[in-house]
Amino acid sequence: EAGVAQSPRYKIIEKRQSVAFWCNPISGHATLYWYQQILGQGPKLLIQFQNNGVVDDSQLPKDRFSAERLKGVDSTLKIQPAKLEDSAVYLCASSLAPSGFNTQYFGPGTRLTVL
Amino acid sequence: DAKTTQPNSMESNEEEPVHLPCNHSTISGTDYIHWYRQLPSQGPEYVIHGLTSNVNNRMASLAIAEDRKSSTLILHRATLRDAAVYYCILRDAAAGGTSYGKLTFGQGTILTVHP
Repeated sequence: EAGVAQSPRYKIIEKRQSVAFWCNPISGHATLYWYQQILGQGPKLLIQFQNNGVVDDSQLPKDRFSAERLKGVDSTLKIQPAKLEDSAVYLCASSLAPSGFNTQYFGPGTRLTVL
Repeated sequence: DAKTTQPNSMESNEEEPVHLPCNHSTISGTDYIHWYRQLPSQGPEYVIHGLTSNVNNRMASLAIAEDRKSSTLILHRATLRDAAVYYCILRDAAAGGTSYGKLTFGQGTILTVHP
């Protein structure tokens, strides 16, 4: 089965520019997650979707970050404007459902460098 | 969210067993114990999970203490490919709770495998 796809794999921008990341989850997975992983730390959940609805965005900096999940399948995460501290790897994950034991499958991530 | 404590780093030799400890003294009755690992430049991947009983799969074994306040991930024969950051995570299986199904990553244990 195909895994979680993300693009681009790498992105370098200057501060105050905008950037967007794309994620295509595993087919049939209703739950989609975006994580931010700063160098040397574990991933931190930014937002969780159930189909095309937001379940949890409590950790999303809403003044500059936005995310949507079109038709309950693909998702985009946008940063506008970017700050230096947004330099990180952005990981997308999906699972069949948000239960306590359903496996989350992660994509390879997008490494963002903000100069 | 319930917290886990892991050693920052561990080392092993190739083809030897590795025991990765995790303490979770505040675990609740509905928390599953999950282990994920993250290889260099990749997204995290699922390793194993359990609730009360010891679990085995093709990747590893999970030994859970009788009081569930600690657990140990066992790699029976470490290979160079097992060098990664290993995360022990408590995942709430109680439907409807605010932390339902979430993975909250800590710092993890960096495992180095020597040839």
